[in-house]
Amino acid sequence: SYELTQPPSVSVSPGQTASITCSGEKLGDKNTCWYQQKPGQSPVLVVYQDTKRPSGIPERFSGSNSGNTATLTISGSQAMDEADYYCQAWDSSVLWVFGGGTKLTVL
Amino acid sequence: EVQLVESGGGLVQPGGSLRLSCATSGFTFSSCEFHWVRQAPGKGLEWISYIGIRGSTIYYADSVKGRFTISRDNRKNSLYLQMNSLGADDTAIYYCARDSTTPYGDIDYWGQGTLVTVSS
Repeated sequence: SYELTQPPSVSVSPGQTASITCSGEKLGDKNTCWYQQKPGQSPVLVVYQDTKRPSGIPERFSGSNSGNTATLTISGSQAMDEADYYCQAWDSSVLWVFGGGTKLTVL
Repeated sequence: EVQLVESGGGLVQPGGSLRLSCATSGFTFSSCEFHWVRQAPGKGLEWISYIGIRGSTIYYADSVKGRFTISRDNRKNSLYLQMNSLGADDTAIYYCARDSTTPYGDIDYWGQGTLVTVSS
């Protein structure tokens, strides 16, 4: 079965750039998206189709996907961005697969 | 406003069954595809099932195949998940989620989740 690997945790200082990676075989050939989940809340889509932001998501969230790695970048991180982030890949062969999640700490 | 509201969770004994429901509003249910996604306590997200618009296209994760059944009722704007032969590993929050209108496999709306606990 297809697997996506994320670092368990990432730390960033307020105002700095946070990068969260997601690795999988030929991930660049698949569609990827990212979700933010805060404690006790449901996930929220923050990036879809590798690079696009849904309406209402701040511009500081961006994504990329190439080769075996997709990356979620948060520019100018804020305290409110502290959350768990999950990548998700889709194509007709692997269906829907989530990464294990990354806990982002802003301190 | 798009809303998805799950119900039907609770405590069930190992080997037991449970049926989850997801009532929706704020959009045209019959035009949308849906998923069930679960999250074990303190763990990550796990996709478990998908259903297409007419209910004829269905997929399951290997972990639930043969035990869980997804269905929908377009007249009632509702999604369901019948869960049989439950085990401790099925203990999780179960989310009903709407597939986005893009053809890229992303999920744009999630319910608040319903907790299923499998324990004797």
